[in-house]
Amino acid sequence: NAGVMQNPRHLVRRRGQEARLRCSPMKGHSHVYWYRQLPEEGLKFMVYLQKENIIDESGMPKERFSAEFPKEGPSILRIQQVVRGDSAAYFCASSLSGDRNSPLHFGNGTRLTVT
Amino acid sequence: GQQVMQIPQYQHVQEGEDFTTYCNSSTTLSNIQWYKQRPGGHPVFLIQLVKSGEVKKQKRLTFQFGEAKKNSSLHITATQTTDVGTYFCAANNFNKFYFGSGTKLNVKP
Repeated sequence: NAGVMQNPRHLVRRRGQEARLRCSPMKGHSHVYWYRQLPEEGLKFMVYLQKENIIDESGMPKERFSAEFPKEGPSILRIQQVVRGDSAAYFCASSLSGDRNSPLHFGNGTRLTVT
Repeated sequence: GQQVMQIPQYQHVQEGEDFTTYCNSSTTLSNIQWYKQRPGGHPVFLIQLVKSGEVKKQKRLTFQFGEAKKNSSLHITATQTTDVGTYFCAANNFNKFYFGSGTKLNVKP
């Protein structure tokens, strides 16, 4: 049973380019969360999605960042016109039911480097 | 939003020594989860505590939930080099899991 799959593992972008991060949740999971982690820091909540719906995007920057979880295919975190400050590890997690008792299963993350 | 404070930020121990990390909230929590992240890896779920005063054990790891459900602790007895990593607590608030800042454990052989 495959776990949460994220790709790419490493992504290098120049300032001003677009970054697209993909996440396929565990089989049977329809709840997806995106977190951002700076080196030596904790996990910052960005967005919570269910299939075709954004449930909570209160942690997302207002500009340049967007997320989707279409009916078919992986969840996508999109960062437009990247800046050096966007360099971080971005983790996707999925859960079975989305309720408070449902543990999060994390992918291996995408390490984004902006040059 | 919900905030959980975690201390200490770093802990260096000699192999065989004990280790404890603490998680505190200003509000009552419905539950609390603990995760471990190895260096260069991703967070992995360890356990969930739900009941007031609950204590759970996993081999050398002991997890406690405070009576008021505002704090929690993770204690590792006789640390081993395999325990190296960052330990996070996480609390749920309106569908979002908020993570503490983590305690980074280094174990010297």
